[in-house]
Amino acid sequence: GAGVSQSPRYKVAKRGQDVALRCDPISGHVSLFWYQQALGQGPEFLTYFQNEAQLDKSGLPSDRFFAERPEGSVSTLKIQRTQQEDSAVYLCASSLVPGGYYEQYFGPGTRLTVT
Amino acid sequence: DQQVKQNSPSLSVQEGRISILNCDYTNSMFDYFLWYKKYPAEGPTFLISISSIKDKNEDGRFTVFLNKSAKHLSLHIVPSQPGDSAVYFCAASDQAGTALIFGKGTTLSVSS
Repeated sequence: GAGVSQSPRYKVAKRGQDVALRCDPISGHVSLFWYQQALGQGPEFLTYFQNEAQLDKSGLPSDRFFAERPEGSVSTLKIQRTQQEDSAVYLCASSLVPGGYYEQYFGPGTRLTVT
Repeated sequence: DQQVKQNSPSLSVQEGRISILNCDYTNSMFDYFLWYKKYPAEGPTFLISISSIKDKNEDGRFTVFLNKSAKHLSLHIVPSQPGDSAVYFCAASDQAGTALIFGKGTTLSVSS
């Protein structure tokens, strides 16, 4: 029973570079979420997918952030022209049922450092 | 404005004693609450949840209490063990929501 996996675990990017972060959710989980966690803070919602449909992207901080889940399983979070304020841990979570009204299971996160 | 607040950044407890972690919320639409535990360099791990139709939920050493009128919940760990040392996050959701709203976390240290 594999859990949620994320890659890479650590990413260092120079300011202005594009990055792509990958999430493999638990097999069969309908819902997939991306969160951003800054140092000393709790996770903050970025975006939500139900299968391949992106139903909520209200938490994406700017149009430099883009997420996709084209086949309803693996998801990629892309950040274009990275800025120092993008440095954070990016967490992916999945859930068996639609919506956020249920336990979400988190991956280990990708720590992004923008220099 | 934070909708979920964990006002104690840290808590230290001796092994075998009770740990009580507190959480307050401001949004009266929240009706489902969860506690997550996080070790360094790992993602949050689900611990226990409670819906607003209940005021208590138990799972082994972990009990969550919900006081809706006070918009307050707490997590009790009895007895505390050194392996419980971690950051604990309170989170909340409502039926229309698509996200969990997290507090900033409380770091629990259990000494042997």
